[in-house]
Amino acid sequence: NAGVTQTPKFQVLKTGQSMTLQCAQDMNHEYMSWYRQDPGMGLRLIHYSVGAGITDQGEVPNGYNVSRSTTEDFPLRLLSAAPSQTSVYFCASSYSSGGVYEQFFGPGTRLTVL
Amino acid sequence: AQSVAQPEDQVNVAEGNPLTVKCTYSVSGNPYLFWYVQYPNRGLQFLLKYITGDNLVKGSYGFEAEFNKSQTSFHLKKPSALVSDSALYFCAVRASGGSYIPTFGRGTSLIVHP
Repeated sequence: NAGVTQTPKFQVLKTGQSMTLQCAQDMNHEYMSWYRQDPGMGLRLIHYSVGAGITDQGEVPNGYNVSRSTTEDFPLRLLSAAPSQTSVYFCASSYSSGGVYEQFFGPGTRLTVL
Repeated sequence: AQSVAQPEDQVNVAEGNPLTVKCTYSVSGNPYLFWYVQYPNRGLQFLLKYITGDNLVKGSYGFEAEFNKSQTSFHLKKPSALVSDSALYFCAVRASGGSYIPTFGRGTSLIVHP
Protein backbone atom coordinates (compact mmCIF):
# COMPACT_ATOMS: atom_id res chain seq x y z
CA ASN A 1 0.00 0.00 0.00
CA ALA A 2 1.24 3.47 -0.86
CA GLY A 3 -1.00 4.95 1.83
CA VAL A 4 -1.83 8.63 1.30
CA THR A 5 0.04 10.29 -1.54
CA GLN A 6 0.18 14.00 -2.37
CA THR A 7 1.48 15.80 -5.42
CA PRO A 8 3.31 18.03 -5.97
CA LYS A 9 5.72 18.14 -3.03
CA PHE A 10 6.61 21.77 -3.70
CA GLN A 11 4.91 24.50 -5.69
CA VAL A 12 5.49 28.21 -6.27
CA LEU A 13 2.61 30.30 -7.61
CA LYS A 14 2.10 33.91 -8.46
CA THR A 15 -0.79 35.81 -6.94
CA GLY A 16 -3.96 35.14 -8.90
CA GLN A 17 -2.89 31.84 -10.39
CA SER A 18 -4.95 28.72 -9.83
CA MET A 19 -3.84 25.19 -9.20
CA THR A 20 -4.94 21.82 -7.88
CA LEU A 21 -3.24 19.90 -5.11
CA GLN A 22 -3.70 16.20 -5.62
CA CYS A 23 -4.41 13.67 -2.89
CA ALA A 24 -4.99 9.95 -3.30
CA GLN A 25 -5.30 7.01 -0.93
CA ASP A 26 -5.33 3.30 -1.65
CA MET A 27 -6.68 2.07 1.67
CA ASN A 28 -10.37 2.34 0.72
CA HIS A 29 -10.91 4.86 3.52
CA GLU A 30 -14.27 6.53 3.56
CA TYR A 31 -13.18 9.79 5.15
CA MET A 32 -10.70 12.32 3.80
CA SER A 33 -9.61 15.77 4.93
CA TRP A 34 -7.42 18.69 3.94
CA TYR A 35 -5.45 20.68 6.51
CA ARG A 36 -3.07 23.58 6.31
CA GLN A 37 -0.18 23.93 8.73
CA ASP A 38 1.21 27.34 9.61
CA PRO A 39 3.86 28.14 12.25
CA GLY A 40 2.31 28.53 15.67
CA MET A 41 -1.15 27.71 14.34
CA GLY A 42 -1.07 23.94 14.34
CA LEU A 43 -3.30 22.17 11.86
CA ARG A 44 -6.41 23.89 10.59
CA LEU A 45 -9.10 22.01 8.73
CA ILE A 46 -9.95 23.35 5.27
CA HIS A 47 -12.48 20.86 3.85
CA TYR A 48 -13.43 17.29 4.52
CA SER A 49 -15.40 14.46 2.96
CA VAL A 50 -17.31 11.58 4.53
CA GLY A 51 -17.64 9.69 1.27
CA ALA A 52 -17.68 9.97 -2.50
CA GLY A 53 -19.91 12.83 -3.56
CA ILE A 54 -20.08 14.35 -0.06
CA THR A 55 -17.92 17.26 1.07
CA ASP A 56 -18.18 19.91 3.76
CA GLN A 57 -16.34 22.99 4.94
CA GLY A 58 -13.91 23.05 7.79
CA GLU A 59 -12.47 25.91 9.80
CA VAL A 60 -10.75 27.84 6.97
CA PRO A 61 -12.49 27.03 3.65
CA ASN A 62 -12.34 30.43 1.93
CA GLY A 63 -10.36 30.42 -1.31
CA TYR A 64 -10.43 26.63 -1.64
CA ASN A 65 -12.70 24.17 -3.43
CA VAL A 66 -12.88 20.40 -3.20
CA SER A 67 -14.72 17.56 -4.87
CA ARG A 68 -14.84 13.82 -4.21
CA SER A 69 -15.85 11.90 -7.29
CA THR A 70 -14.16 8.66 -6.18
CA THR A 71 -13.27 7.08 -2.86
CA GLU A 72 -9.58 7.29 -3.70
CA ASP A 73 -9.12 10.92 -4.75
CA PHE A 74 -9.72 14.20 -2.97
CA PRO A 75 -8.19 17.16 -4.86
CA LEU A 76 -7.95 20.63 -3.37
CA ARG A 77 -8.32 23.58 -5.76
CA LEU A 78 -6.98 27.05 -5.18
CA LEU A 79 -9.12 29.33 -7.30
CA SER A 80 -7.03 32.51 -7.22
CA ALA A 81 -3.91 32.13 -5.12
CA ALA A 82 -3.07 34.74 -2.51
CA PRO A 83 0.10 35.18 -0.40
CA SER A 84 -1.99 34.28 2.68
CA GLN A 85 -2.30 30.79 1.23
CA THR A 86 1.42 30.18 1.55
CA SER A 87 1.49 27.15 3.80
CA VAL A 88 2.11 23.43 4.03
CA TYR A 89 -0.94 21.42 3.04
CA PHE A 90 -1.68 17.95 4.38
CA CYS A 91 -4.23 15.48 3.17
CA ALA A 92 -5.47 12.78 5.55
CA SER A 93 -7.69 9.75 5.27
CA SER A 94 -9.53 7.89 7.98
CA TYR A 95 -11.76 4.92 8.63
CA SER A 96 -13.96 3.89 11.50
CA SER A 97 -12.72 1.15 13.77
CA GLY A 98 -15.27 0.75 16.51
CA GLY A 99 -16.10 4.43 16.32
CA VAL A 100 -12.46 5.48 16.55
CA TYR A 101 -11.21 7.32 13.50
CA GLU A 102 -7.44 7.17 13.30
CA GLN A 103 -6.09 9.52 10.67
CA PHE A 104 -3.38 8.69 8.13
CA PHE A 105 -1.51 11.67 6.72
CA GLY A 106 0.19 12.29 3.43
CA PRO A 107 3.71 13.78 3.20
CA GLY A 108 2.44 17.29 2.48
CA THR A 109 2.69 19.93 -0.24
CA ARG A 110 4.69 23.06 0.50
CA LEU A 111 3.08 25.97 -1.35
CA THR A 112 4.54 29.43 -1.75
CA VAL A 113 2.47 32.23 -3.27
CA LEU A 114 4.45 35.27 -4.39
CA ALA B 1 -17.09 22.57 21.05
CA GLN B 2 -13.79 20.81 21.58
CA SER B 3 -10.35 22.26 22.08
CA VAL B 4 -6.79 21.24 22.87
CA ALA B 5 -4.07 23.23 24.58
CA GLN B 6 -0.40 22.46 24.35
CA PRO B 7 1.01 25.06 26.72
CA GLU B 8 4.65 24.71 25.68
CA ASP B 9 5.84 25.74 22.23
CA GLN B 10 9.15 24.01 22.88
CA VAL B 11 10.49 21.44 25.29
CA ASN B 12 14.21 20.89 25.74
CA VAL B 13 15.60 17.76 27.35
CA ALA B 14 18.97 16.05 27.55
CA GLU B 15 19.40 12.66 25.96
CA GLY B 16 18.74 9.91 28.48
CA ASN B 17 16.51 12.06 30.66
CA PRO B 18 12.75 11.54 30.95
CA LEU B 19 10.55 13.79 28.84
CA THR B 20 7.02 15.09 29.17
CA VAL B 21 5.00 16.96 26.57
CA LYS B 22 1.84 18.46 28.03
CA CYS B 23 -1.67 18.44 26.64
CA THR B 24 -4.98 19.50 28.15
CA TYR B 25 -8.33 19.23 26.45
CA SER B 26 -11.95 20.31 26.56
CA VAL B 27 -14.74 18.24 25.07
CA SER B 28 -18.39 17.48 25.68
CA GLY B 29 -18.78 13.90 26.78
CA ASN B 30 -16.13 11.23 26.74
CA PRO B 31 -12.92 12.06 24.91
CA TYR B 32 -10.94 10.16 22.36
CA LEU B 33 -7.36 11.44 22.60
CA PHE B 34 -4.47 11.08 20.20
CA TRP B 35 -0.81 11.94 19.90
CA TYR B 36 0.90 12.40 16.53
CA VAL B 37 4.54 13.09 15.72
CA GLN B 38 5.89 15.06 12.77
CA TYR B 39 9.51 14.71 11.75
CA PRO B 40 11.03 17.49 9.61
CA ASN B 41 9.55 17.71 6.12
CA ARG B 42 7.25 14.76 6.79
CA GLY B 43 3.56 14.23 7.39
CA LEU B 44 2.10 13.42 10.79
CA GLN B 45 2.48 9.89 12.13
CA PHE B 46 0.19 8.30 14.68
CA LEU B 47 1.84 7.59 18.05
CA LEU B 48 -0.90 6.44 20.41
CA LYS B 49 -4.52 6.90 21.42
CA TYR B 50 -6.76 6.75 24.47
CA ILE B 51 -10.26 5.47 23.96
CA THR B 52 -11.29 3.88 27.25
CA GLY B 53 -9.90 1.62 29.94
CA ASP B 54 -6.43 1.84 31.41
CA ASN B 55 -5.37 5.44 31.95
CA LEU B 56 -1.79 4.69 30.91
CA VAL B 57 -1.53 4.12 27.18
CA LYS B 58 1.57 2.74 25.51
CA GLY B 59 2.44 3.63 21.95
CA SER B 60 5.15 3.56 19.32
CA TYR B 61 8.86 4.24 19.87
CA GLY B 62 8.64 3.78 23.67
CA PHE B 63 6.21 6.64 24.21
CA GLU B 64 3.32 6.49 26.62
CA ALA B 65 0.61 8.90 27.72
CA GLU B 66 -1.42 9.22 30.87
CA PHE B 67 -5.09 10.12 30.74
CA ASN B 68 -6.24 12.15 33.74
CA LYS B 69 -9.95 12.81 33.65
CA SER B 70 -10.08 15.14 36.65
CA GLN B 71 -7.34 17.35 35.23
CA THR B 72 -8.53 16.89 31.62
CA SER B 73 -4.97 16.12 30.63
CA PHE B 74 -3.23 13.65 28.35
CA HIS B 75 0.50 14.22 28.76
CA LEU B 76 2.98 12.39 26.56
CA LYS B 77 5.93 10.78 28.31
CA LYS B 78 9.03 8.77 27.66
CA PRO B 79 11.39 7.45 30.34
CA SER B 80 14.61 8.06 28.43
CA ALA B 81 14.79 10.55 25.56
CA LEU B 82 16.75 9.97 22.36
CA VAL B 83 18.16 12.61 20.02
CA SER B 84 16.06 10.97 17.30
CA ASP B 85 12.90 11.85 19.27
CA SER B 86 13.42 15.49 18.30
CA ALA B 87 10.30 16.40 16.34
CA LEU B 88 7.01 18.29 16.48
CA TYR B 89 4.32 16.63 18.60
CA PHE B 90 0.60 17.19 18.23
CA CYS B 91 -2.15 16.29 20.66
CA ALA B 92 -5.68 15.85 19.27
CA VAL B 93 -9.14 15.26 20.74
CA ARG B 94 -12.59 14.38 19.56
CA ALA B 95 -15.76 13.51 21.40
CA SER B 96 -16.85 9.90 21.32
CA GLY B 97 -19.98 9.75 19.22
CA GLY B 98 -19.23 13.13 17.69
CA SER B 99 -17.77 14.17 14.34
CA TYR B 100 -14.88 12.04 13.14
CA ILE B 101 -12.81 15.21 12.75
CA PRO B 102 -10.41 15.72 15.67
CA THR B 103 -9.24 19.08 16.91
CA PHE B 104 -5.47 19.45 16.99
CA GLY B 105 -3.31 21.43 19.35
CA ARG B 106 -0.76 23.91 18.04
CA GLY B 107 2.08 21.48 18.47
CA THR B 108 5.12 21.28 20.75
CA SER B 109 8.63 21.16 19.39
CA LEU B 110 10.71 18.63 21.31
CA ILE B 111 14.45 19.12 21.18
CA VAL B 112 16.64 16.42 22.67
CA HIS B 113 20.21 17.53 23.24
CA PRO B 114 23.09 15.03 23.03
